[in-house]
Amino acid sequence: DAGVIQSPRHEVTEMGQEVTLRCKPISGHDYLFWYRQTMMRGLELLIYFNNNVPIDDSGMPEDRFSAKMPNASFSTLKIQPSEPRDSAVYFCASSLISEGDTQYFGPGTRLTVL
Amino acid sequence: GDSVTQMEGPVTLSEEAFLTINCTYTATGYPSLFWYVQYPGEGLQLLLKATKADDKGSNKGFEATYRKETTSFHLEKGSVQVSDSAVYFCALTTLKAAGNKLTFGGGTRVLVKP
Repeated sequence: DAGVIQSPRHEVTEMGQEVTLRCKPISGHDYLFWYRQTMMRGLELLIYFNNNVPIDDSGMPEDRFSAKMPNASFSTLKIQPSEPRDSAVYFCASSLISEGDTQYFGPGTRLTVL
Repeated sequence: GDSVTQMEGPVTLSEEAFLTINCTYTATGYPSLFWYVQYPGEGLQLLLKATKADDKGSNKGFEATYRKETTSFHLEKGSVQVSDSAVYFCALTTLKAAGNKLTFGGGTRVLVKP
């Protein structure tokens, strides 16, 4: 299996622009998580899905952030409009409830908002 | 709520030294405990886990024992290598946490010098 795939790996954009981050979970996994990692705040859970349905979005920082999972193979995290304080590494992870508690992480997208 | 506290880094060691990273937790349920490792430029990888009291997780020479009486899950390695330089995260999940939702500690950066 290719593991969790994220794209792009790096994104540089200007303040006010829309940013879309993409994630392909491991085939067959039924949970998908989006995290943000910064030096100041560490690793934060933003939102997670079960069978494509959002379960808990309490970690989404504000309305500028939105996430979708239109099918079992794809999820997006969108920031509109982006701000410099959104600069971070964004990780996607997936898991399979029947395999226990292990989450498998993607390589991350490093976002820089100028 | 659930929380994980781990020692702050960075921890700087010489090759072949003994490594200990302390981790303590607070949980409302009966947690499963994890150590994840993040190598430079990569996503998090599961290093080891333990699901019940007195269990010992082990992998790649690392060990951690689930101590319910002290609510701890300290990570140890007897002889570190330069390749062990990474950030280590302690984490937990409980049966009350739907969908394997993980609570992470702040991470401990380890630097092993030749």
